[in-house]
Amino acid sequence: AQKITQTQPGMFVQEKEAVTLDCTYDTSDQSYGLFWYKQPSSGEMIFLIYQGSYDEQNATEGRYSLNFQKARKSANLVISASQLGDSAMYFCAMRSAKTGANSKLTFGKGITLSVRP
Amino acid sequence: EAGVTQFPSHSVIEKGQTVTLRCDPISGHDNLYWYRRVMGKEIKFLLHFVKESKQDESGMPNNRFLAERTGGTYSTLKVQPAELEDSGVYFCASSPRTGFMNTEAFFGQGTRLTVV
Repeated sequence: AQKITQTQPGMFVQEKEAVTLDCTYDTSDQSYGLFWYKQPSSGEMIFLIYQGSYDEQNATEGRYSLNFQKARKSANLVISASQLGDSAMYFCAMRSAKTGANSKLTFGKGITLSVRP
Repeated sequence: EAGVTQFPSHSVIEKGQTVTLRCDPISGHDNLYWYRRVMGKEIKFLLHFVKESKQDESGMPNNRFLAERTGGTYSTLKVQPAELEDSGVYFCASSPRTGFMNTEAFFGQGTRLTVV
């Protein structure tokens, strides 16, 4: 079974500063993928970034990067140069290769990020 | 191109009534997923269709929930009879059928169901 843990209840960051959102996971699988999604107040979940368990480099997508530490089973999202529009809930999720490339995602509880002007 | 659309956006029903949620996936997406988030908890997987077939329904909580995807296009999720603990936000997601782990799922805005 897989489990995603996001323990930060709420995060605040000053506009233009960087912020790290924590995610730890638990799995016995060797091959898996990690995802981060953003949910603004409008409700729609927006895909941000993906990291494969065998990827040697940390994933980056624009202002988003993933600090992947496989031995510690953590996949923290780093948002650089925060913008007011980054205020949202952020979900970490994982997918096991064992259940299939397009199989279900296992999510954490999410973290609320508020960006202060 | 239209994204994943869900109807209704909100529904308030009394305990014991029936509610049907609808999801229209992105055209051409064979994979369709239903998830649910109860307030303050994780987003939980309910089931996964590949075209019209149920690939994985391990997350369906009980037999009060019935999901269908006739013709492999839109999907419905019926709750009958609804109980108080069924309240939450029901998300639908779709993705193309690929062999790649990094295939993202596109989510709808969710249906907020309140059972009173």
